[in-house]
Amino acid sequence: AQKITQTQPGMFVQEKEAVTLDCTYDTSDPSYGLFWYKQPSSGEMIFLIYQGSYDQQNATEGRYSLNFQKARKSANLVISASQLGDSAMYFCAMRELLSGNTPLVFGKGTRLSVIA
Amino acid sequence: EPEVTQTPSHQVTQMGQEVILRCVPISNHLYFYWYRQILGQKVEFLVSFYNNEISEKSEIFDDQFSVERPDGSNFTLKIRSTKLEDSAMYFCASGQGDSGANVLTFGAGSRLTVL
Repeated sequence: AQKITQTQPGMFVQEKEAVTLDCTYDTSDPSYGLFWYKQPSSGEMIFLIYQGSYDQQNATEGRYSLNFQKARKSANLVISASQLGDSAMYFCAMRELLSGNTPLVFGKGTRLSVIA
Repeated sequence: EPEVTQTPSHQVTQMGQEVILRCVPISNHLYFYWYRQILGQKVEFLVSFYNNEISEKSEIFDDQFSVERPDGSNFTLKIRSTKLEDSAMYFCASGQGDSGANVLTFGAGSRLTVL
């Protein structure tokens, strides 16, 4: 069963605008972590932001924020004031915690293109 | 900023040959992982390693694959007899602990091309 769903294969955004990248997840584990990674064209995976299932507030890291809606099982990434350097693939990932050191499971990714 | 180092960055090999991909995780990390990404597809878990043994592996990680931590710093992935479908980017990652907020730091990847 697919645990992480990213329904937007590609997104375009105008420079300086905000953009939301969608992510929904599926788990029966009450304790889990949600992550977003950025993969620029150079190929490396760069950690952006983390949200724990028990965190009361939405995570924020600079221009990145995570819109966490637990009941809807969604963890959308919001990038404010987009920059040309934000053009990349973005992966949502989840880790279930009840069973110990379970691996990070990734979605298929969304390719974001920022237009000048 | 500590980083995970992977070598080689790109390797081309003939089908049936053995390949070893090397990784130097962050020094105080205890959990090590290999993931792979076939071109244009999602990142897939292969194996996790802790306390000198495999803690979990996916169905992709069959008998052709093995991992080893031969010394205190290197973490290697060996593919015994490569197939065309092994062509992918292979990422090594390491993490400090197994708590929820355990962020995995990824290396830049090793691109394997099997001809």
